[in-house]
Amino acid sequence: AQTVTQSQPEMSVQEAETVTLSCTYDTSESDYYLFWYKQPPSRQMILVIRQEAYKQQNATENRFSVNFQKAAKSFSLKISDSQLGDAAMYFCAPYSGGGADGLTFGKGTHLIIQP
Amino acid sequence: DTEVTQTPKHLVMGMTNKKSLKCEQHMGHRAMYWYKQKAKKPPELMFVYSYEKLSINESVPSRFSPECPNSSLLNLHLHALQPEDSALYLCASSQEYRLDGELFFGEGSRLTVL
Repeated sequence: AQTVTQSQPEMSVQEAETVTLSCTYDTSESDYYLFWYKQPPSRQMILVIRQEAYKQQNATENRFSVNFQKAAKSFSLKISDSQLGDAAMYFCAPYSGGGADGLTFGKGTHLIIQP
Repeated sequence: DTEVTQTPKHLVMGMTNKKSLKCEQHMGHRAMYWYKQKAKKPPELMFVYSYEKLSINESVPSRFSPECPNSSLLNLHLHALQPEDSALYLCASSQEYRLDGELFFGEGSRLTVL
């Protein structure tokens, strides 16, 4: 079974600044995937970034990057140059594939962007 | 086409009504999912269909009845619901079931049960 913890229910950041959202997880699998999904208000949930656990290099997607610490089971999301459109709920989700059944989401972090 | 389309966007129904939620994708994905999301909570998995066969039913009450008529369509039939069933119902699809976990979501159907 997998568990995932997002310890920040809400975060606030000034536009153009950098913010880091934290996520820790627990899994007995050695090979798995990690995802950050974004859910803007009244809009569909979309994938922000993914990380394969066997890769040591941290994933990046434009202004979004992760700090993946496998031994610590930590997977934080860094958003650089924050924009108003980044305001959303952010969900962390580990996935071990194989016998796993769908994604298990963390409780989410509500990100507020201050203009 | 990378869309998952859900209809209706909003639905209000009484406890004795029968209604259906519909979901469609044309990405050739072979797995489709129903999630339930209450306000300020993460989505919770309800059902998974893989190759049009029900793979997972997460102990969902029988008043929710899923159906997968073909690989592109997924329905959720609703009957005798309770007010606590009011929520956002999300449909998602993935290339394969139990592959890499990447899901494509629809915008959801917001259900209110009176």
